[in-house]
Amino acid sequence: SAVISQKPSRDICQRGTSLTIQCQVDSQVTMMFWYRQQPGQSLTLIATANQGSEATYESGFVIDKFPISRPNLTFSTLTVSNMSPEDSSIYLCSVLKDRGSNQPQHFGDGTRLSIL
Amino acid sequence: AQSVTQPDIHITVSEGASLELRCNYSYGATPYLFWYVQSPGQGLQLLLKYFSGDTLVQGIKGFEAEFKRSQSSFNLRKPSVHWSDAAEYFCAVGGPGGGNKLTFGTGTQLKVEL
Repeated sequence: SAVISQKPSRDICQRGTSLTIQCQVDSQVTMMFWYRQQPGQSLTLIATANQGSEATYESGFVIDKFPISRPNLTFSTLTVSNMSPEDSSIYLCSVLKDRGSNQPQHFGDGTRLSIL
Repeated sequence: AQSVTQPDIHITVSEGASLELRCNYSYGATPYLFWYVQSPGQGLQLLLKYFSGDTLVQGIKGFEAEFKRSQSSFNLRKPSVHWSDAAEYFCAVGGPGGGNKLTFGTGTQLKVEL
């Protein structure tokens, strides 16, 4: 399976600031996703990162708050903008090698974000 | 809309005992089903997956799961639990029909008593 590196692994930020999380894969993948896991909760899909075009956001998530880039088939970034304590969560990147094939999504180790 | 229900929030078993974690799903087409495990401070690790074919699937670490279409279930089992199995377990459903987006259950926290 693909090796997925997320940076930073954790951070503590001041409210009102922004943080960009990076997701790097060791091989080309068709699909990349960003999930949020709030404390004690399950995972919720934020958006699908589309290579060369705007990300596809799920209900309740907007581009102004969570801008996403995907410049190529191995890299994506998620920015958490104008952070508030409610944004304290684990943010996870996942990848899918080929769309429509019998392969599972694989996840990075996540970025643990705390907002003061 | 796709959804997953894991009715057990916490389960405690003794080491060496058998384990079954329940998962029920709702999905409009043939589902792809997954079990992931998350240890404290870690990301998600895939335990096993079901796409089609044999309804009993084997995974890593001695886990298996059985897909029952009539019951919309995909329960995870292990015949003998080890202390290192203590973690949170997530069931997920998705597939090409839904843009490959995964919907996760709320998770089951497993505690293993020595």
